[in-house]
Amino acid sequence: KNQVEQSPQSLIILEGKNCTLQCNYTVSPFSNLRWYKQDTGRGPVSLTIMTFSENTKSNGRYTATLDADTKQSSLHITASQLSDSASYICVVSGGGGYQKVTFGTGTKLQVIP
Amino acid sequence: EAGVAQSPRYKIIEKRQSVAFWCNPISGHATLYWYQQILGQGPKLLIQFQNNGVVDDSQLPKDRFSAERLKGVDSTLKIQPAKLEDSAVYLCASSSWGTHEQYFGPGTRLTVT
Repeated sequence: KNQVEQSPQSLIILEGKNCTLQCNYTVSPFSNLRWYKQDTGRGPVSLTIMTFSENTKSNGRYTATLDADTKQSSLHITASQLSDSASYICVVSGGGGYQKVTFGTGTKLQVIP
Repeated sequence: EAGVAQSPRYKIIEKRQSVAFWCNPISGHATLYWYQQILGQGPKLLIQFQNNGVVDDSQLPKDRFSAERLKGVDSTLKIQPAKLEDSAVYLCASSSWGTHEQYFGPGTRLTVT
């Protein structure tokens, strides 16, 4: 069964600190992995996309890593800002079927002053 | 480029009533998705269209939910009759042919009382 698990479920950090969110998946065959940011009351917005051959990708203060062998990904946020408070969702494409995607349940991050 | 449009943004109905949501995808995007996102959870795919044909509706509660995408552009999602557990945000997303990059609309928040 195709699954995407994220940890932690929620996280509170002080403004300016770094944090790392985890994503483990069992989707096979694998096509690509995305991290989305979802602000409260808004639709998800893509942060990064990684294919099988990519180990790391950055988007500003966001850096995603991918280990296709262990089927793990992480999203590292550097020098957090209050605006980083949101849910971060890991989405894996693949697993058979046309453009099939599997969503994780998300990590809810709260950055406090 | 205009994004994915959805309406209404908010809807409150009583159980056993009917409701319909509308989605206008990004121009030229052949694939359209409807997701249900219950508070605190990741989005769950309800139905996926490729042009005006259904690709995946395996998780759509067909006894009460229906969706159509006439002419392969706009789409409507209907719930009839609504239940309390249908309270959620309904997200519409679209993607272009051959890609997995999904662009999400702002969602419709449904409250069933």
